[in-house]
Amino acid sequence: GAVVSQHPSRVICKSGTSVKIECRSLDFQATTMFWYRQFPKQSLMLMATSNEGSKATYEQGVEKDKFLINHASLTLSTLTVTSAHPEDSSFYICSAHRAAGELFFGEGSRLTVL
Amino acid sequence: GENVEQHPSTLSVQEGDSAVIKCTYSDSASNYFPWYKQELGKRPQLIIDIRSNVGEKKDQRIAVTLNKTAKHFSLHITETQPEDSAVYFCAASPAGGGNKLTFGTGTQLKVEL
Repeated sequence: GAVVSQHPSRVICKSGTSVKIECRSLDFQATTMFWYRQFPKQSLMLMATSNEGSKATYEQGVEKDKFLINHASLTLSTLTVTSAHPEDSSFYICSAHRAAGELFFGEGSRLTVL
Repeated sequence: GENVEQHPSTLSVQEGDSAVIKCTYSDSASNYFPWYKQELGKRPQLIIDIRSNVGEKKDQRIAVTLNKTAKHFSLHITETQPEDSAVYFCAASPAGGGNKLTFGTGTQLKVEL
């Protein structure tokens, strides 16, 4: 079946540094990918919609200059957390859907900012 | 925008009993309602979904019902097993088939022996 792969699965960084997370659709092309953030014991909150070849669409309250999204190809979207701080520590999950419908999630990336 | 509410937040059942989780949504334009199971630290896994042109769907021990008029949908798990223990999320999407999803707050299901 379709697979969405995310990398890295875990990352620990120092406060003030930037971290890049990759989301790949392995066997289908995805013109749209979604980035979610999930804090412990909470739901998935949509951060932004990544659009291939154009700017991402951010949800209200999400800082676009802090969470940079690039969707340079039909199989890859990246999320860069810039100048990370401890409050950015979270589980970040991407998703992509095929034209026919079903949504597939990546494995998630656990970010810990020290 | 869409708002999805989910109840209960925690649910404990005895093995073999049934579990029911309920969700309501606000946007009448929503027409796709998936349910996900998420184990700790893992990605959400789709377990069943329903579209607005259907009132009920069943897959072995899992069923979902949808009441469009009342704007609510429910997940039913029968003959629960310990491996059903996880967090379950409902979601709603205004575009058919997996577009932007709004998730419910989640239900921690614990199946006790």
